[in-house]
Amino acid sequence: AQSVAQPEDQVNVAEGNPLTVKCTYSVSGNPYLFWYVQYPNRGLQFLLKYITGDNLVKGSYGFEAEFNKSQTSFHLKKPSALVSDSALYFCAPGVHGGSQGNLIFGKGTKLSVKP
Amino acid sequence: NAGVTQTPKFQVLKTGQSMTLQCAQDMNHEYMSWYRQDPGMGLRLIHYSVGAGITDQGEVPNGYNVSRSTTEDFPLRLLSAAPSQTSVYFCASGLSSGTENSPLHFGNGTRLTVT
Repeated sequence: AQSVAQPEDQVNVAEGNPLTVKCTYSVSGNPYLFWYVQYPNRGLQFLLKYITGDNLVKGSYGFEAEFNKSQTSFHLKKPSALVSDSALYFCAPGVHGGSQGNLIFGKGTKLSVKP
Repeated sequence: NAGVTQTPKFQVLKTGQSMTLQCAQDMNHEYMSWYRQDPGMGLRLIHYSVGAGITDQGEVPNGYNVSRSTTEDFPLRLLSAAPSQTSVYFCASGLSSGTENSPLHFGNGTRLTVT
C-alpha cells in the first residue's frame, strides 16, 4: 500500500531565509514523486518531479527537491523564500508502471513567508 | 489556452437535491479525475477515467456517479446530496500513458455547500 506523510501542517519562514517543506513516502516498487502548489482559490499546479537519475531535482520558481531513497524522503527546498511563495504545498508519490489513479496526495503543508 | 474548466465555481444545495459538476479539458488528455479537498484531509480521489467509455472508482466514490462519453468532458453527479459532501471539488486531467512523465492539470475547483 502507498502512503505519504507531510509532517508539518504549517511552515513559517522570513523572506530571504531558506525554506524546507518535508515529505516522506512509502510505496511498493520504484517510486516517482511530484510536488504541487496551490494558491488561494485555485487548483493545484505542478512544481517539479523526480522520475529517475539525479537525486536533486530543480523545478519552477527556484524550488528544488532532494530524493533520498534510504530515508524515503522527498523534501522541497528553496534557498531564499519570497512572500509570493506563500501557498499550500502537496507531495504526491506514485509507482512506476502504475496508473494515474494510483497517485496519492499528502495532506498539504501551508507555507507562510513573512516580510 | 483554456486547460481544465470547471463549472459552476460555487453551489449551494439542500439535502437530497441532485446536481452535476461539469468538467471539460481541451488538451486531448485521456486521463481525467475528480478529487475532493477537505481541511486536514488533503485531496482524495473520487472517480477517474482513462478514456472515453472507461471509468473506475477512487478512494471515496460513494454518493457520486460519473460517465465519460467524450474525451473532453467528465461530469460528476451527486444523486442525493448530503451535508458530508460539502467540500471543494477539483477536476484534473493528464496523459494516460507514461504517467510518471505526465503531471496532472487541475481546474480551479467548485465549492459545494450542502445544507
